[in-house]
Amino acid sequence: QIVLTQSPAIMSASPGEKVTMTCSASSSVSYMYWYQQKPGSSPRLLIYDTSNLASGVPVRFSGSGSGTSYSLTISRMEAEDAATYYCQQWSSYPPTFGAGTKLELK
Amino acid sequence: DVKLVESGGGLVKPGGSLKLSCAASGFTFSSYTMSWVRQTPEKRLEWVATISSGGSYTYYPDSVKGRFTISRDNAKNTLYLQMSSLKSEDTAMYYCTRGTTGYFDYWGQGTTLTVSS
Repeated sequence: QIVLTQSPAIMSASPGEKVTMTCSASSSVSYMYWYQQKPGSSPRLLIYDTSNLASGVPVRFSGSGSGTSYSLTISRMEAEDAATYYCQQWSSYPPTFGAGTKLELK
Repeated sequence: DVKLVESGGGLVKPGGSLKLSCAASGFTFSSYTMSWVRQTPEKRLEWVATISSGGSYTYYPDSVKGRFTISRDNAKNTLYLQMSSLKSEDTAMYYCTRGTTGYFDYWGQGTTLTVSS
């Protein structure tokens, strides 16, 4: 199965700061998907097909990458962005998730 | 609005069985692939099962194959997960998700399964 490695595991950012987190795949994938999960809530789809924003997602979020290397960027950190972010692939079975990057507000 | 509401979780002894349900509303249930995804106490997300829109095709990871069965009733807009031979490592929050091409676009609030003696 394809293993997704997210880094860093934990990070913090100040309001207004640019945030970038990465997801590395053990084999090439066609697309990457990103989810946001806040404490006590279910995961929420953030980015689909590597770079497309899901409905209702603020434009300060963006996704990019190809092959085995993908990233999620928040252009300017806001307090409500404090959450855990997971990447996911389904280029091959089984679909797999990364272990998550926990983003904290500094 | 899309709504997925899981039920049926609880405390089960190792080797026991349990059936989860997911009531769907706000979309044409019979047109969508549906899946179950679980989140372990360590917060790791794991895909558990997928069923095609008509119910003819099902998919499982090796970790649950032969023990879990996903099914659906399109007339009742309901998704199910029958779990048997439960193990402690099946302890998790179980989410019902709507699937599309490659990802899970809507998630329920989850139902908790604890496998313990």
